[in-house]
Amino acid sequence: DGGITQSPKYLFRKEGQNVTLSCEQNLNHDAMYWYRQDPGQGLRLIYYSQIVNDFQKGDIAEGYSVSREKKESFPLTVTSAQKNPTAFYLCASSSGLAGATDTQYFGPGTRLTVL
Amino acid sequence: AQKVTQAQTEISVVEKEDVTLDCVYETRDTTYYLFWYKQPPSGELVFLIRRNSFDEQNEISGRYSWNFQKSTSSFNFTITASQVVDSAVYFCALSEAQPFQKLVFGTGTRLLVSP
Repeated sequence: DGGITQSPKYLFRKEGQNVTLSCEQNLNHDAMYWYRQDPGQGLRLIYYSQIVNDFQKGDIAEGYSVSREKKESFPLTVTSAQKNPTAFYLCASSSGLAGATDTQYFGPGTRLTVL
Repeated sequence: AQKVTQAQTEISVVEKEDVTLDCVYETRDTTYYLFWYKQPPSGELVFLIRRNSFDEQNEISGRYSWNFQKSTSSFNFTITASQVVDSAVYFCALSEAQPFQKLVFGTGTRLLVSP
């Protein structure tokens, strides 16, 4: 079955630690995205990548880093510089068609809690 | 700047009632796309529909229907004969055509359907 997987489902971190969230897709999509969701709020874009070895900052990139070494993988690292990292993190991918004719499909999410 | 407003924070209905979720958007582009996603308690966002700005025809898919009106910048979503399984948070989102598909989400409407 094609889809997007995220791991782990739940993650606990101590203050001052970096953590990496995994996102893998087998949809053969070129574009991948990371969003953050806080309670009662919509999703906000952290980073996106339209092609392997290239990525761009979204609206709230401070305190986060990403890499895109393989087409199917787009890991997100939450660094100790992120002041309020407790949130629900969602990864998405899309075929990467030009313009906005594309549809983003989402993974199941990772809930990160800082202790 | 793009903006999506979902004024209804939470709606409660009894099973078999019809319910309409409102979505109002702002954009300066003439070419744009509108989306609805469903987020069940599991957390994953499920794609429901994509609509482009050139097509104002209403769409029906089973118990779901969408009413797109450019004159009022609205893209409302109606569930007919609601069921308990429809309980979820529903997000409306907007993307402009360029430079890439950046989705701007509303804050979501939580729908609770009780038996």
